[in-house]
Amino acid sequence: DTAVSQTPKYLVTQMGNDKSIKCEQNLGHDTMYWYKQDSKKFLKIMFSYNNKELIINETVPNRFSPKSPDKAHLNLHINSLELGDSAVYFCASSQGFGLLNTGELFFGEGSRLTVL
Amino acid sequence: AQSVAQPEDQVNVAEGNPLTVKCTYSVSGNPYLFWYVQYPNRGLQFLLKYITGDNLVKGSYGFEAEFNKSQTSFHLKKPSALVSDSALYFCAVRDGLGAGNMLTFGGGTRLMVKP
Repeated sequence: DTAVSQTPKYLVTQMGNDKSIKCEQNLGHDTMYWYKQDSKKFLKIMFSYNNKELIINETVPNRFSPKSPDKAHLNLHINSLELGDSAVYFCASSQGFGLLNTGELFFGEGSRLTVL
Repeated sequence: AQSVAQPEDQVNVAEGNPLTVKCTYSVSGNPYLFWYVQYPNRGLQFLLKYITGDNLVKGSYGFEAEFNKSQTSFHLKKPSALVSDSALYFCAVRDGLGAGNMLTFGGGTRLMVKP
């Protein structure tokens, strides 16, 4: 069974469109994240949710809107896609938060978004 | 603020030789340090971590890392490299004082092990 699963794995779309990426984890973790990996493989955190509540919101355009219907799911919706949004987006999860969290992140396989 | 530096974009090693992938960090409090590996078209996989205790940490696939507080380093090592170790390696740090769960990653080092 896949621990952290993302769909779709590949997404090709036109500028200006709206798209969503879904993420689910079956590890029972209470914290989930979205990371963006650019073409130079640099990883940057975008959002972090703990028990469905937004905890970390890095400097991300408000065209990006995460939604967490429950602690096992964290979806990412992107409005008005731009060329610079092309990247691989990784979902991840971990157990515990703040001082309670000394554990590692578990990553999904990534969703490669290409904006034409 | 916390940061991680991986000074080498790529490390080339012959199979059977020891390997080292370098990492230095900066945090305000006590560091929680991690190494992850990324194979092509895959997500990151956890290798090992340092939270507290023994400075030499052993992890998956025969990898180990040494925490050096005075040099603020956490270099990844393996005594004998395998071709299958070829991948992208990321060092990461978070501040043990809390700062949420924010894990900051280095820029990654590509390890190439040649037969």
